[in-house]
Amino acid sequence: AIQMTQSPSSLSASVGDRVTITCRASQGIRNDLGWYQQKPGKAPKLLIYAASSLQSGVPSRFSGSGSGTDFTLTISSLQPEDFATYYCLQDYNYPQTFGQGTKVEIK
Amino acid sequence: QVQLQESGPGLVKPSETLSLTCTVSGGSISSYYWSWIRQPPGKGLEWIGYIYYSGSTNYNPSLKSRVTISVDTSKNQFSLKLSSVTAADTAVYYCAREVVTLVPPGYFDYWGQGTLVTVSS
Repeated sequence: AIQMTQSPSSLSASVGDRVTITCRASQGIRNDLGWYQQKPGKAPKLLIYAASSLQSGVPSRFSGSGSGTDFTLTISSLQPEDFATYYCLQDYNYPQTFGQGTKVEIK
Repeated sequence: QVQLQESGPGLVKPSETLSLTCTVSGGSISSYYWSWIRQPPGKGLEWIGYIYYSGSTNYNPSLKSRVTISVDTSKNQFSLKLSSVTAADTAVYYCAREVVTLVPPGYFDYWGQGTLVTVSS
């Protein structure tokens, strides 16, 4: 199975900060990667698919980039509702595998 | 608006079979892939397997020997059975719709709220 490694595991940031989360795949996965946001007690929510396509209804402050093995999720200006855990997911092949998550906390 | 709702027992005894159903409303189960994903308390996410509306399946090799996913298109439902459960199977179980653009896999655009299943005697 393809291993997905996210960094950092957690970060502290302030409202208005630019935040970047990275995800590295153990082998090339083209652009078959999605980013999900999960708040406590809730299901994950799709933010980005195909590495850089913004899901309908998701604010434009979220963006994704990358291809091959290295990917990035960027939040251009962190808002109070963005404090959550973020997961990447490769959908290049089965079994689909998630990164271990990045918890974004309030500084 | 598509909605998914998991249902089933919240407590299962060790060595028994976990059974959950996901009911899809606001849209047809046809023409999509439908997955089960789980999350142990305080931990990350694990894909369990999918079923296509036609009945074809694919399971995570780590669980394949114990997993069965089935679909009932007349009820707009799909189901998960996980046999011989242990405490390690305690998790929140999610059902999700998988969007496939060309060939699977795809991404998950709609999720159920999740249901906690505890394995304990």
